[in-house]
Amino acid sequence: DIVMTQSPLSLPVTPGEPASISCRSSQSLLHSNGNTYLEWFLQKPGQSPQLLIYMASNRASGVPDRFSGSGSGTDFTLKISRVEAEDVGIYFCMQTLQTPLTFGGGTKVEIK
Amino acid sequence: QVQLRESGPGLVKPSQTLSLTCTVSGGSISSGGYYWTWFRQHPGMGLEWIANTYYSGVTYDNLSLKSRMTTSIDASKNQLSLTLTSVTAADTAVYYCARWGGQQSSFDCWGQGTLVTVSS
Repeated sequence: DIVMTQSPLSLPVTPGEPASISCRSSQSLLHSNGNTYLEWFLQKPGQSPQLLIYMASNRASGVPDRFSGSGSGTDFTLKISRVEAEDVGIYFCMQTLQTPLTFGGGTKVEIK
Repeated sequence: QVQLRESGPGLVKPSQTLSLTCTVSGGSISSGGYYWTWFRQHPGMGLEWIANTYYSGVTYDNLSLKSRMTTSIDASKNQLSLTLTSVTAADTAVYYCARWGGQQSSFDCWGQGTLVTVSS
């Protein structure tokens, strides 16, 4: 199984400031078709997960452009250019390269 | 706009069978191009993938649950189902269904989740 490791576990942020979350996979998520199978989700309190980024760097429909995904191979980053109060919640990375699909442990983002 | 809604018993006794349904509205479960997926989330924990099911019947299962699990699609009802036998307290979780569009759109649509508690 591919192991996904996120950091930090907790991230206190100040509104208007940038934030960054790291995700590392135990093996490369690059497929032979050239796509990288890494997704980012946000789970707001009491809600189901919502897709933010797919294929490492593609913003999902309706996601604000302050969210961006980058990285390749085994190292990935989710960046929020200017955090807003509505961005609080738990952020998960997930690999969809192979089954079993696996998630990172999550990063809890909260306002300072 | 496609919407998903999970439904289930809420409370199941240990050793019994859990049956969940995910009803798809606003689109056809058999239109092709999507896998229909079950996840679960144990209380206060991260997410666990359970299975992907295509309308043709092709299924990819989490091997850790495979011996106890069955998933299926009823196209006539536009529903995805999950059956889990011999449940224990470790199966207590919120169960989610989601639509997977692969490299085109990933998991872009999720249900609201249904809490299942295994307790006597």
